[in-house]
Amino acid sequence: SQQGEEDPQALSIQEGENATMNCSYKTSINNLQWYRQNSGRGLVHLILIRSNEREKHSGRLRVTLDTSKKSSSLLITASRAADTASYFCATEGPTDSWGKLQFGAGTQVVVTP
Amino acid sequence: DVKVTQSSRYLVKRTGEKVFLECVQDMDHENMFWYRQDPGLGLRLIYFSYDVKMKEKGDIPEGYSVSREKKERFSLILESASTNQTSMYLCASSLWAGRPNEQFFGPGTRLTVL
Repeated sequence: SQQGEEDPQALSIQEGENATMNCSYKTSINNLQWYRQNSGRGLVHLILIRSNEREKHSGRLRVTLDTSKKSSSLLITASRAADTASYFCATEGPTDSWGKLQFGAGTQVVVTP
Repeated sequence: DVKVTQSSRYLVKRTGEKVFLECVQDMDHENMFWYRQDPGLGLRLIYFSYDVKMKEKGDIPEGYSVSREKKERFSLILESASTNQTSMYLCASSLWAGRPNEQFFGPGTRLTVL
């Protein structure tokens, strides 16, 4: 079953602009993770935020988590053409065993030079 | 760096064939996962394994089986391929289940069943 839902489904921006995408989920979580997938390739882990954290930064990435609203956002600042990819949120719940993750359908981001 | 490799990037098979997809990781990870990815549906978990010879069904196990005879290798088997199994198949591994940790993905195998 799909736990996370990303919004928007697609996003088109110009280089230098910021890109924001959101993820909503349905049940309680231990942590939420964001992954990037370049066209036709495997996923690459970007950042993990635990349920007791509200904000986390990694380079040009900023992730927020609001457990009361069951939502998270990923902000990419000063975007580059190389940021063109699909972005997925994934959640690990307290009852999920063995590190299982539930992935959303993804947000497709296109950054034009 | 963790490396997860998959045996083929592209594969074309005929309906009814038995298909083997192989995945190997080189970092002694406990957990391994098989997903399929279809447009608009994200990643759906087929099977996962938390130890050698151990396996658990994911969300969509029907029509698939798996094998994990060695820690580094996790195989996905389509017993009798059907056209609705045409998809991108992604293998992943993670260190262990005792704490939050990321999954490392292979490059994927795009399978077409004719």
